[in-house]
Amino acid sequence: EAGVAQSPRYKIIEKRQSVAFWCNPISGHATLYWYQQILGQGPKLLIQFQNNGVVDDSQLPKDRFSAERLKGVDSTLKIQPAKLEDSAVYLCASSLGVGAVEAFFGQGTRLTVV
Amino acid sequence: GNSVTQMEGPVTLSEEAFLTINCTYTATGYPSLFWYVQYPGEGLQLLLKATKADDKGSNKGFEATYRKETTSFHLEKGSVQVSDSAVYFCALLYGNNRLAFGKGNQVVVIP
Repeated sequence: EAGVAQSPRYKIIEKRQSVAFWCNPISGHATLYWYQQILGQGPKLLIQFQNNGVVDDSQLPKDRFSAERLKGVDSTLKIQPAKLEDSAVYLCASSLGVGAVEAFFGQGTRLTVV
Repeated sequence: GNSVTQMEGPVTLSEEAFLTINCTYTATGYPSLFWYVQYPGEGLQLLLKATKADDKGSNKGFEATYRKETTSFHLEKGSVQVSDSAVYFCALLYGNNRLAFGKGNQVVVIP
């Protein structure tokens, strides 16, 4: 079974530029998450989708971050404009859905803002 | 709120030594608890889990027991190997299937 796919693996941009990350969850997984992992810290939830609807985006900095999950499958996370403090690994995860205990994580995208 | 606290600092130990990583949590009710592991260059992988009080999760020689009286879920392994070198995260499941993670502990096993 294929795992959660993310791209790109690495990205370096200048501050005030924009960037987008892509995630393809495990087939059949209804729930998709984006987490931000700053160096030396644990992952922090940014947004959670159930199919193509947003369940929780309370920790998403909406003035610069946006995310969508068209057709309830793939998802993109965008940052515009980027700040230095956005340097982090962005992790995508998926799970079967409500009641599912285990989430499966992709390898992440390492973003460096200079 | 829902949060997880892990012991501070990296852990360095010799091969075949005993490993303990402390984890305590704050939560409403009795959440499911997890240990995730992140090997160098890889994504987070579920190591073990426990879904109710007094449950013991185990995998690859690692164990953790869900202790509601001390709100803890400490990770242990009796004899570590070099291949166990990784970052270990304690986490709890809250709300509508959301994970709250601790800061993680880097474990370095020296041959």
